[in-house]
Amino acid sequence: SQTIHQWPATLVQPVGSPLSLECTVEGTSNPNLYWYRQAAGRGLQLLFYSVGIGQISSEVPQNLSASRPQDRQFILSSKKLLLSDSGFYLCAWTYSGTQWKTQYFGPGTRLLVL
Amino acid sequence: SQKIEQNSEALNIQEGKTATLTCNYTNYSPAYLQWYRQDPGRGPVFLLLIRENEKEKRKERLKVTFDTTLKQSLFHITASQPADSATYLCALSYNNNDMRFGAGTRLTVKP
Repeated sequence: SQTIHQWPATLVQPVGSPLSLECTVEGTSNPNLYWYRQAAGRGLQLLFYSVGIGQISSEVPQNLSASRPQDRQFILSSKKLLLSDSGFYLCAWTYSGTQWKTQYFGPGTRLLVL
Repeated sequence: SQKIEQNSEALNIQEGKTATLTCNYTNYSPAYLQWYRQDPGRGPVFLLLIRENEKEKRKERLKVTFDTTLKQSLFHITASQPADSATYLCALSYNNNDMRFGAGTRLTVKP
């Protein structure tokens, strides 16, 4: 069966510090991978998605970036965090070839920027 | 611009009643629509997917309808239980281009 991991679960960072969130998927090959952000009481905002190693599509221009160094690894980064980067970050995957169908979400990382 | 609206931020019902949640959309011709459940502090969990050419889909106590003329989907939970309390999100996809989520409706089922 497939499993998706995210870490850390919770993170408190000062403004201006760097960020690295990691997501890995097990039990499937060549998944499509996604990063979402969810602000309190708001819907999911798609940040990045990837259909393969090194292939990243950005949905929202901002101070965040994503990378996919391995088939089942997706990393969300920032060089300098802003207060507005606080939120709940979710990684998700879909089967290869079903990019916008059923999404399987990880447990999320709650980020608080102070 | 494309817009997805879920009828209310919160819905409170009594145990045993049917909960009905609404998802309306504008400026969109989705190929399919999905419903997800999200518990506090957790990632959303997929519940049901319905295609544009399907009117209704059922899964146990869940029923989804999809009216492309009204641009609306209804999500029903029959014989609701306190364990059904969660936030429910609708999501729309247009073929292989894009997927958008609504803000969700927080359902509370009271015993």
